[in-house]
Amino acid sequence: EVQLVQSGAEVKKPGESLRISCKGSGYSFTTYWISWVRQMPGKGLEWMGRVDPSDSYSNYSPSFQGHVTISADKSISTAYLQWSSLKASDTAMYYCARRKYSSSPNDVFDIWGQGTMVTVSS
Amino acid sequence: QSALTQPASVSGSPGQSITISCTGTSSDVGGYNYVSWYQQHPGKAPKLMIYDVSNRPSGVSNRFSGSKSGYTASLTISGLQAEDEADYYCSSYTTTSTPIVFGPGTKVTVL
Repeated sequence: EVQLVQSGAEVKKPGESLRISCKGSGYSFTTYWISWVRQMPGKGLEWMGRVDPSDSYSNYSPSFQGHVTISADKSISTAYLQWSSLKASDTAMYYCARRKYSSSPNDVFDIWGQGTMVTVSS
Repeated sequence: QSALTQPASVSGSPGQSITISCTGTSSDVGGYNYVSWYQQHPGKAPKLMIYDVSNRPSGVSNRFSGSKSGYTASLTISGLQAEDEADYYCSSYTTTSTPIVFGPGTKVTVL
């Protein structure tokens, strides 16, 4: 079965660092880009950025550039989203998602992780 | 603030058809046939329902269909069922600062 399995919920304090993970299985992990999508409580979906697991090249939405780092370790089929200094406004559900196409400009997400809830509170 | 526009809510009775619109610009919806639709039930991850305007992934009911005219894409759900009650998000390829943009979402209520 093709799936993305994310790490569990996190509760952190402002200023703390955090890395959450997304492990792919059932397919060739290096063939498909992985994106991260934020969903704040009661709000819509926001694309944060993506990584090419084959070479760890990443790019970001300007809204998230400089605040998060997206990476991948192809040896263990895992993508990561990390923060060096969390803010209360980072409280949200974070989804990883597999890009369906490897050769199209269109980001279609055919497989999604179950989501990781991150709560940042003092 | 999303670059795409969707109605906040759409409702219908079981068996009816409803249509959700997604309006953009020439930089996204109007310029490319790269619109997707996602269904999200409460507490669940989004699920791909339509891609490239009108293509349905395997396993998605043929009650779901997509189309586009000008700057507006549409998702139609025919034979509305209770299980269709969810939030629906459109997305589009865009030539602005990000490669993809999501709409704000539409809550579908089955009366």
